Amino acid sequence: DQQVKQNSPSLSVQEGRISILNCDYTNSMFDYFLWYKKYPAEGPTFLISISSIKDKNEDGRFTVFLNKSAKHLSLHIVPSQPGDSAVYFCAASPNAGGTSYGKLTFGQGTILTVHP
Amino acid sequence: NAGVTQTPKFRVLKTGQSMTLLCAQDMNHEYMYWYRQDPGMGLRLIHYSVGEGTTAKGEVPDGYNVSRLKKQNFLLGLESAAPSQTSVYFCASRTYRGKRNSPLHFGNGTRLTVT
Repeated sequence: DQQVKQNSPSLSVQEGRISILNCDYTNSMFDYFLWYKKYPAEGPTFLISISSIKDKNEDGRFTVFLNKSAKHLSLHIVPSQPGDSAVYFCAASPNAGGTSYGKLTFGQGTILTVHP
Repeated sequence: NAGVTQTPKFRVLKTGQSMTLLCAQDMNHEYMYWYRQDPGMGLRLIHYSVGEGTTAKGEVPDGYNVSRLKKQNFLLGLESAAPSQTSVYFCASRTYRGKRNSPLHFGNGTRLTVT
């Protein structure tokens, strides 16, 4: 049972436009969410995160939105650049009073291609 | 500062063979993890360790064993490889000190093929 789902396997966007990547989760115990970016032949690298006490977190061109009632989060990249082309993974963690030990549940990933 | 280093980068095994994947981190992180990545499945947690000498099962532990004899190293073993273990394996580490939700730092992966 996939507790974190990224239903779009791929997304193609023109340079300068907005990229919106979506993620849904089913486990109501998740209260911390992260996005990772992965280039070919490299490991995932941390991009941005959000705690369930917030509904928005911004870092430069990247903004993550969280809708707890819908169990949905999205990553907005504005403006998109060709260097943003990568696989993006959504991940979630239940803090559970600290006993989750940072274990993350990942989505399947979305391949973002930004065309010049 | 190398971060998280995984060896080997590639390996081909025959069914039934054994091997050990090595993960080393130089960031003095307390927590270490082994994930596998398969097409359409994302990354799934195999085993993890919250400190030297301790290990625990993740989501997909069957067929794997781990050991953490030193804080900086986390070994993943396959005793009798099966084709279903063909995957890309990622090691990750994180600290828990000072920041409750510090992010995972990943290695560059080991691509394993079992024929």
